[in-house]
Parts: sequence; structure tokens; C-alpha cells
Amino acid sequence: DIHMTQNPVSLSAFIGDKVTITCRASQDISRYLGWYQQKQGQSPKFLMYYASNLLSGVPSRFSDSGSGTEYSLTITGIQPEDAATYFCQQCYSYPLTFGSGTKLEIK
Amino acid sequence: QVTLKESGPGILQPSQTLSLTCTFSGFSLSTYGMGVGWIRQPSGKGLEWLANIWWDDDKYYNPSLKNRLTISKDTSNNQAFLKITNVDTADTATYYCARSRENYFDYWGQGVMVTVSS
Repeated sequence: DIHMTQNPVSLSAFIGDKVTITCRASQDISRYLGWYQQKQGQSPKFLMYYASNLLSGVPSRFSDSGSGTEYSLTITGIQPEDAATYFCQQCYSYPLTFGSGTKLEIK
Repeated sequence: QVTLKESGPGILQPSQTLSLTCTFSGFSLSTYGMGVGWIRQPSGKGLEWLANIWWDDDKYYNPSLKNRLTISKDTSNNQAFLKITNVDTADTATYYCARSRENYFDYWGQGVMVTVSS
């Protein structure tokens, strides 16, 4: 199984800040990675996949990068509605696996 | 507009079989490349992928649940199903179904809470 290590577990940011969440895969996943946002009490929402393919309606302040085993999600210009837990997911091989999540708090 | 909705028993006893239904609209499971997956999330915890079924009836399971899972579909009625046998308290979670494309999950249902308790 491919293990996804996500950091940090939690972080706090002010409105307008830039934050970065990282995911490390236990083996090369060739950019087959997706990112999800889950707000309190809601189901996860798909943000982007496979190197910056932003889903329609997702604000452009969300971006991702990475290759091999190291990936990151960056939010540039944090907004109040970005308060959520963010998960990465490798789509490279079965069993599909998720990172443990990063909880973003807005100060 | 793609929507999915899960339904299930709510509560069941240890050793019983959990049967979940995902009713969806806005896409067809007979379309090339389409799939439906099941993912669960214990309260306050992370996401665990359980199974995927594809337009061609290909099926994939999380081996951590060994042989307890069965996924199936009813294409004509736009439904997908998941059965988990021999449940115990560790199976207490919110269960989500989601549309799957290239092993991503681009649309999710609202989730159904399942409690296993004696």
C-alpha cells in the first residue's frame, strides 16, 4: 500500500496569508494526486488533481505542485471560507489512500 | 447536475451485514470511464477508501477489509451498492459514495451515519 504522510496536522492563518500543506507518498506516484477540502459537518469537496487541474468553480488562490513523492497544496490569500480540513489522495494504485488531513483555522 | 445520496440502516448490531445504497443522477455508470466509490470516515477521523466499481463492472476493494466487502451496481436504476459483512464497532462511521474518474472522487454524497452497537 502507498502511505500518504500529510503535514502539518493543523495550522492557523490570518486572512490574506499564504499557507502550504504537504503530502509525501511512500513511493513515486507520478503526480497522480488529488486534493479535497472538507468543511465542518460537510462531505469532502474535490479541489484539484494531477498537477493543477483545478475543478470548475474552485478559486484560483488554490494551487498545487510536486512530483515523485513530494506534493504540496498552496492557498495564496486566505479567505474566511477556507477554514476546513484538507486531504490529499493518491490515485496511482490500489488501494487508494488518503493523507490524514490538515486542519486550517482562520485567526 | 451530478448528485449522489447514500442510504443505509443507521444502526445495526455486531456480526450483522451492513447494506448501503448509493442513488445518483447526472451521470451513468454505463458511460466509459465512470465509476462509483465508497469511502468512510469515523467521527473526527480521516478518510478510508473501501471499494470502487467501474462502468465495465471492474471492481476493486481495500484489502484491509479482507473479504468482507461486496460492491455492485444497477445501471438501469442509477444505483450502486456496498455490503460489509460481520460488522463490529470499528465499522461505525459516516459512509460516503462518490463519483470516481481516474480514481479521483469528484462528486460526493452527503454521507450516511452508521453505528454498530449491541
